[in-house]
Amino acid sequence: EVQLLESGGGLVQPGGSLRLSCAVSGFTFSSDAMSWVRQAPGKGLEWVSGISGSGGNTYYADSVKGRFTISRDNSRNTLYLQMNSLRAEDTAVYYCAKKMTSGSYANCDYWGQGTLVTVSS
Amino acid sequence: QSVLTQPPSASGTPGQRVTISCSGRSSNIGTKTVHWYQQLPGTAPKLLIYSSNQRPSGVPDRFSGSKSGTSASLAISGLQSEDEADYYCAAWDDSLNGVVFGGGTKLTVL
Repeated sequence: EVQLLESGGGLVQPGGSLRLSCAVSGFTFSSDAMSWVRQAPGKGLEWVSGISGSGGNTYYADSVKGRFTISRDNSRNTLYLQMNSLRAEDTAVYYCAKKMTSGSYANCDYWGQGTLVTVSS
Repeated sequence: QSVLTQPPSASGTPGQRVTISCSGRSSNIGTKTVHWYQQLPGTAPKLLIYSSNQRPSGVPDRFSGSKSGTSASLAISGLQSEDEADYYCAAWDDSLNGVVFGGGTKLTVL
């Protein structure tokens, strides 16, 4: 059974940093690209970042480029999102999602339950 | 303002057929496949339709997708109360080099 479990969310002050983790099981992690998608309270879905199976290719939304860094440790079956210079508008539930074997990063067949990040003083 | 445009709401009665539209541009829907997600209240999104018209295993055939030009549609036939949820379309965008989502459509079963 495929499982994705996010952790690391919490309350952080504006300008602060946070690192999210997503521990996965039930599939060959190194074979599949992954994404982070967020959802602000009461709002829609927003793609944040994606990373290839090897970690060699990364992609970012303009809203986080230069502030967030996606990475993965295939030996630990874990995906990360390092978030720096956090702003109030980064407040959201952050989901990690597994990209389907075929198709683009818009095509995610498994999602975690999400972790809430709140940026506030 | 989302790159992909969806109506904010839709509604129907049990047994009815409803459609949800998703409008984009040549850099996304026009040249890429569209994917649809269902998000029940308080839960993570679930893949409903991929590659514009394919259903993942376990998704009822009441759900179908189509694409034409720079627009796509999700159709739900035989509407049921458990279909009440938010629905999102998504696609890769070559100009932005990233994924774009629609703003979401809240479906109400009357």
